[in-house]
Amino acid sequence: AQTVTQSQPEMSVQEAETVTLSCTYDTSESDYYLFWYKQPPSRQMILVIRQEAYKQQNATENRFSVNFQKAAKSFSLKISDSQLGDAAMYFCACPDSGGGADGLTFGKGTHLIIQP
Amino acid sequence: NAGVTQTPKFRVLKTGQSMTLLCAQDMNHEYMYWYRQDPGMGLRLIHYSVGEGTTAKGEVPDGYNVSRLKKQNFLLGLESAAPSQTSVYFCASRIVPGQTSPLHFGNGTRLTVT
Repeated sequence: AQTVTQSQPEMSVQEAETVTLSCTYDTSESDYYLFWYKQPPSRQMILVIRQEAYKQQNATENRFSVNFQKAAKSFSLKISDSQLGDAAMYFCACPDSGGGADGLTFGKGTHLIIQP
Repeated sequence: NAGVTQTPKFRVLKTGQSMTLLCAQDMNHEYMYWYRQDPGMGLRLIHYSVGEGTTAKGEVPDGYNVSRLKKQNFLLGLESAAPSQTSVYFCASRIVPGQTSPLHFGNGTRLTVT
């Protein structure tokens, strides 16, 4: 089974500041995608951003960007100009190559608090 | 376009009771999944299906059964509920088999077993 590690159970940031959430993973695949999902208090799982492992360029979606280090198997999420609506649980996920039909293995999550 | 719909949204069961969670998707997705989410544990795969009439076990399948009689529906059953099955259950589907597409999630079912 794959392993995904999010070492920060909780992070706090001032509104308008920048915060980086860390994620490391382990996979035997050579070509894969990585994902960050956001889960606000509504419980809905929302895709934030995805990264193609064979692309060297880091993915960006508006205020969200990743720092992808393939050799280190690191996939961190940077949120710029933090807003109150960014408060949520954030989950990093990588493909399950253990026979799960390309399902995803998730980290345990980071709870992001935005201080006004 | 409803996407992935889960019913019910909430349920309370007594130990030993049975129930079925329904997941329906209207996106013609081939792959469907059931996950459970527990505090501090992230999401863990229970069962999955790669197409109509097929099912397979995930990471934590014990105590659950599933069926995929129709492509658009994926049912998760608990035959004899236990307090350890208190959790939030998510159904997800995927448009294309393979690693390129994200999972589309339902809004979850909160199940409490007393």
